Amino acid sequence: GNSVTQMEGPVTLSEEAFLTINCTYTATGYPSLFWYVQYPGEGLQLLLKATKADDKGSNKGFEATYRKETTSFHLEKGSVQVSDSAVYFCALIKAGSARQLTFGSGTQLTVLP
Amino acid sequence: DTGVSQDPRHKITKRGQNVTFRCDPISEHNRLYWYRQTLGQGPEFLTYFQNEAQLEKSRLLSDRFSAERPKGSFSTLEIQRTEQGDSAMYLCASSSSQGKGTEAFFGQGTRLTVV
Repeated sequence: GNSVTQMEGPVTLSEEAFLTINCTYTATGYPSLFWYVQYPGEGLQLLLKATKADDKGSNKGFEATYRKETTSFHLEKGSVQVSDSAVYFCALIKAGSARQLTFGSGTQLTVLP
Repeated sequence: DTGVSQDPRHKITKRGQNVTFRCDPISEHNRLYWYRQTLGQGPEFLTYFQNEAQLEKSRLLSDRFSAERPKGSFSTLEIQRTEQGDSAMYLCASSSSQGKGTEAFFGQGTRLTVV
């Protein structure tokens, strides 16, 4: 079946540090890949997505590249801010499915001033 | 557009009681999803509607769970004879099958505590 494995947290960084959150997946076919973010007290929000191999999704300074050869979709940001503190979820949608998301377990990020 | 709204935001119930949650999707979205999220885990898919038709149900959705979307707009999720293991955040999401923007938008969830 489909599954997503992401880096366990929590992750604590100082402001302006470089962020990487690892995500790997298992799926048949060519899934679409997503990063969702959940800020404290808020619902899940789509951060970025990539729908085919070698696509790079980007938003708010975050980037992730769909790597089919390593079945990975690692999230990166060059300089984190305190406001980036949140829980980050990697997810996939299986090609041709009803488009339900399969999520990883989430990574809590805390950025200290 | 007010986004996906869920009601109530919090529900505390005694074991054995029935509970019902409501989800109002984004108005032009024809797809609606229910997910369950337990502490420290990612959301898990429960069920999916396209318009009023329930097209897919997860094995997580036991016989005590039932979901409806009678007019293809709002949806309800009912849990009968609640158990402590049902304590979780129940999330609703909606999306459109048309155009390029088919990503799912989530509500803030209903947190259920069974005591």
